Amino acid sequence: ETGVTQTPRHLVMGMTNKKSLKCEQHLGHNAMYWYKQSAKKPLELMFVYSLEERVENNSVPSRFSPECPNSSHLFLHLHTLQPEDSALYLCASSLQGSEQFFGPGTRLTVL
Amino acid sequence: QKEVEQDPGPLSVPEGAIVSLNCTYSNSAFQYFMWYRQYSRKGPELLMYTYSSGNKEDGRFTAQVDKSSKYISLFIRDSQPSDSATYLCAMSVNIYGGATNKLIFGTGTLLAVQP
Repeated sequence: ETGVTQTPRHLVMGMTNKKSLKCEQHLGHNAMYWYKQSAKKPLELMFVYSLEERVENNSVPSRFSPECPNSSHLFLHLHTLQPEDSALYLCASSLQGSEQFFGPGTRLTVL
Repeated sequence: QKEVEQDPGPLSVPEGAIVSLNCTYSNSAFQYFMWYRQYSRKGPELLMYTYSSGNKEDGRFTAQVDKSSKYISLFIRDSQPSDSATYLCAMSVNIYGGATNKLIFGTGTLLAVQP
């Protein structure tokens, strides 16, 4: 596998479910990011990790919980989501402050 | 006022046309300027990355930055149907002592190149 991969690619969940999104980067980068992309809105930065330390939390509700166990893996744990949380969730990585490379995204639908 | 403004389009052009895509921004602290291409149901793909005023060319693509006017452009020459996608501009500032950066995106412009 090359670049940035994300699983699952599609996820449908109820409001009471708990699920996790996974991201893996194979680029040797040391920073990872979660973004949310909703229709007709710009990509919104959610979380930033640098060397496995969370350095930015962009006022994201606590029903979204990130985890970065090492510099290659990033998770987004989801619980008690709302229908308005339905969106494309994108993971990205970079080498320090250089350009960011994105994964294909997870299309999330909350019923 | 949004930090980054981008016309959402859609923009429809005939094959072979020159396409001009633009963004304006308000934050003088932005240091780096990017253009991403996003096909339907895919993640954004980095096209161009610049940090200074002036032009940068890569094949059929030219990125232009005017920091004095807070204006960036992407030109696509000899456009092809395969160029049909959403084009996102993004600006960044380094955070956490430069260890990483924060991207602010435009809403994206949907481009359709008609064969």
